[in-house]
Amino acid sequence: DAGVTQSPTHLIKTRGQQVTLRCSPKSGHDTVSWYQQALGQGPQFIFQYYEEEERQRGNFPDRFSGHQFPNYSSELNVNALLLGDSALYLCASTFGQGDQPQHFGDGTRLSIL
Amino acid sequence: AQSVTQLGSHVSVSEGALVLLRCNYSSSVPPYLFWYVQYPNQGLQLLLKYTSAATLVKGINGFEAEFKKSETSFHLTKPSAHMSDAAEYFCAVTPSNQAGTALIFGKGTTLSVSS
Repeated sequence: DAGVTQSPTHLIKTRGQQVTLRCSPKSGHDTVSWYQQALGQGPQFIFQYYEEEERQRGNFPDRFSGHQFPNYSSELNVNALLLGDSALYLCASTFGQGDQPQHFGDGTRLSIL
Repeated sequence: AQSVTQLGSHVSVSEGALVLLRCNYSSSVPPYLFWYVQYPNQGLQLLLKYTSAATLVKGINGFEAEFKKSETSFHLTKPSAHMSDAAEYFCAVTPSNQAGTALIFGKGTTLSVSS
């Protein structure tokens, strides 16, 4: 049973570029959330997708956008990259809105030069 | 609004000693509470969760946590530390009436275990 998978593992970009990160949820899960974890910090919630719509959003600028596909996989897009966007980006999945916990992938390490 | 405070950014114990990692939360509604562990270069692994059933929650790898409403705490303990327990630990909260939505994390506690 595959868990949450994210790609790529590592990515290096320069300021001003755009990036797309991908996530496949755990089998049976239909809800995908994205988190940003800066070095030495706890993860911060970016947004959550359910039924292909953004259900909830954290305090992140519009440069951060996402998408969920019919197979429940998801993408995170970041435009006009800033040095401060360097972080580990984590994807988490769960089922519905019950008390099931979120399961995390190993993340994508994004470095901005 | 919900928030989490983890007291002590770094905890050091000897192998075989008691592990105690502290977490206090703030929530305007009954919360769901979680402890996650993160090993270097990996994602977060769920240790245990509190979802309003038993106040003493047992998790994986011998960890347990007790929900104390009067103290708004959810401290993580393990009777005897192993070298393999060295990692980063995060406490997280989500409102029970919006379960499955955004997790609010603490800043984390690094656990070091010496032989």
